[in-house]
Amino acid sequence: GQNIDQPTEMTATEGAIVQINCTYQTSGFNGLFWYQQHAGEAPTFLSYNVLDGLEEKGRFSSFLSRSKGYSYLLLKELQMKDSASYLCAVRDSNYQLIWGAGTKLIIKP
Amino acid sequence: IAGITQAPTSQILAAGRRMTLRCTQDMRHNAMYWYRQDLGLGLRLIHYSNTAGTTGKGEVPDGYSVSRANTDDFPLTLASAVPSQTSVYFCASSASISGGNEQFFGPGTRLTVL
Repeated sequence: GQNIDQPTEMTATEGAIVQINCTYQTSGFNGLFWYQQHAGEAPTFLSYNVLDGLEEKGRFSSFLSRSKGYSYLLLKELQMKDSASYLCAVRDSNYQLIWGAGTKLIIKP
Repeated sequence: IAGITQAPTSQILAAGRRMTLRCTQDMRHNAMYWYRQDLGLGLRLIHYSNTAGTTGKGEVPDGYSVSRANTDDFPLTLASAVPSQTSVYFCASSASISGGNEQFFGPGTRLTVL
């Protein structure tokens, strides 16, 4: 079966750095996405990786290793508004997104 | 309209009733999707449409149907609602199913079936 694993919850301090890991086992691979979802709201796109390596976008970076079935999302200079759930999703061989359950990130002052 | 809209925002429905959730996008996206989101689970794909006039089944299609008569609209129908269909429903769209095309999400419909 297809599976996306990410930690259920993480806590970090304002101004610090946090890394959210995602491991996957899917039938085929056509890209990996990270989304942010604030409580009660819709998911919004953060990043896309299809080749191995690091993609940087401001305070957020995303890394991919296809051989290891592994990705992480790195958030720097954490702000209180970064408190949200972070969703990892892999596009499989049928071009459908398979979603992880999300990681709830709690930022403390 | 800007982006993708859904209606209603929330609904309480008696079991056995028929219900249609509406979704409209104005981005001229080819692909559209319906997901349900339940606590502790990832988003699960119900149905999708790669282009107007075509639809396909996702991971959890039973009890749901969709149509795609034009590019903009993608309604989801529950023929006879059951309590297990209580969930938050998100409609999404993307320019295409491939490449780095991200999915844009509507605000969601919170459905409770009693």
